[in-house]
Amino acid sequence: EAGVAQSPRYKIIEKRQSVAFWCNPISGHATLYWYQQILGQGPKLLIQFQNNGVVDDSQLPKDRFSAERLKGVDSTLKIQPAKLEDSAVYLCASSLDPVHYGYTFGSGTRLTVV
Amino acid sequence: GQQVMQIPQYQHVQEGEDFTTYCNSSTTLSNIQWYKQRPGGHPVFLIQLVKSGEVKKQKRLTFQFGEAKKNSSLHITATQTTDVGTYFCAGPKTGANNLFFGTGTRLTVIP
Repeated sequence: EAGVAQSPRYKIIEKRQSVAFWCNPISGHATLYWYQQILGQGPKLLIQFQNNGVVDDSQLPKDRFSAERLKGVDSTLKIQPAKLEDSAVYLCASSLDPVHYGYTFGSGTRLTVV
Repeated sequence: GQQVMQIPQYQHVQEGEDFTTYCNSSTTLSNIQWYKQRPGGHPVFLIQLVKSGEVKKQKRLTFQFGEAKKNSSLHITATQTTDVGTYFCAGPKTGANNLFFGTGTRLTVIP
């Protein structure tokens, strides 16, 4: 089966600019996650979708981050305006059943804010 | 808040030596998962443990879930250069059905 697709692979922007990341999960996976991974740390959940509804966005900095999953398939994550501390890899993952199965991660988008 | 700590943070081993990483949760976990992330790569699911005291093996890798379901370990026998990467444990976030990842152990294997 095809994996989780993410784009772009790399992005460099200046602080205060905006940026958007795109994710296409594995077909049939109802649950989609966005994680932020700062260099040397474990992934940290930003937001979880079940179909097109938000299940958990408790750790999403809502003053600058937003995400949507229209039609319950693709998802986009946006940062506006970006800060230097947003430099990280943004990982999208999907799962058939988060209780019984592991996640499948995409290759991630490496964001550098200068 | 919920914490999942892993030790050691870094481990350098000579090829052929054994390696163990330990995962300790501040809360009891219903299950625990392990992931491997190669340098420059993304986390890849290895295994899930559910039962108290459960032990599972995948070739040279042995995974164990503690009796109290608050700790876990991953042991690699006779490491190879292909084992290089960071190993993360992850457990369900309290009150949610998403994963809280540990701090990770970065393994370097010296040929």
